[in-house]
Amino acid sequence: GEDVEQSLFLSVREGDSSVINCTYTDSSSTYLYWYKQEPGAGLQLLTYIFSNMDMKQDQRLTVLLNKKDKHLSLRIADTQTGDSAIYFCAESSNSGYSTLTFGKGTMLLVSP
Amino acid sequence: DVKVTQSSRYLVKRTGEKVFLECVQDMDHENMFWYRQDPGLGLRLIYFSYDVKMKEKGDIPEGYSVSREKKERFSLILESASTNQTSMYLCASSLRYDGLHFGPGTRLTVT
Repeated sequence: GEDVEQSLFLSVREGDSSVINCTYTDSSSTYLYWYKQEPGAGLQLLTYIFSNMDMKQDQRLTVLLNKKDKHLSLRIADTQTGDSAIYFCAESSNSGYSTLTFGKGTMLLVSP
Repeated sequence: DVKVTQSSRYLVKRTGEKVFLECVQDMDHENMFWYRQDPGLGLRLIYFSYDVKMKEKGDIPEGYSVSREKKERFSLILESASTNQTSMYLCASSLRYDGLHFGPGTRLTVT
């Protein structure tokens, strides 16, 4: 079945770049997503990438996709304390109903 | 912006009670979803719906049912709540592949 793996924790200093990594198993995934969850809140969609792309940039966020290795990363430039949150990687299934399979999330802690 | 609202942020119920969790979206999205989120287990799909009166089981449907009588509203029903259903419940909606848009979540405690 489909599986999405992420490292559990990342700690960086304010102003540094953060890179959160994700691997997935379903080679038929058409879209891959990054979500952010702040404490006590729902998930906020940050960005997504179509599987025929290898990079997407949106302001401070850069998504890199290596389809051969089934590896996805999210780079946050100039990380701020407000970026501290849990980040989830997700892949779309091929069911046609846009269901997603989520990783367990990476907790990003940004220290001043 | 898409708005997904859930009827309660926090809910406390007793074992055996029937529990209704309501979700409403305002963007005419076809697809709606219920997930539960637990520490160490991540998000798990309970049920989803791709049209009015249509429903599909997700990965963990046991102990739950759903209702979608109107396009904008998707209800999750716990027929007889049990303590192992204590969790954060997240509703989401989507229009094809632009991603799921989540509500703020309902933290349910069953005592």
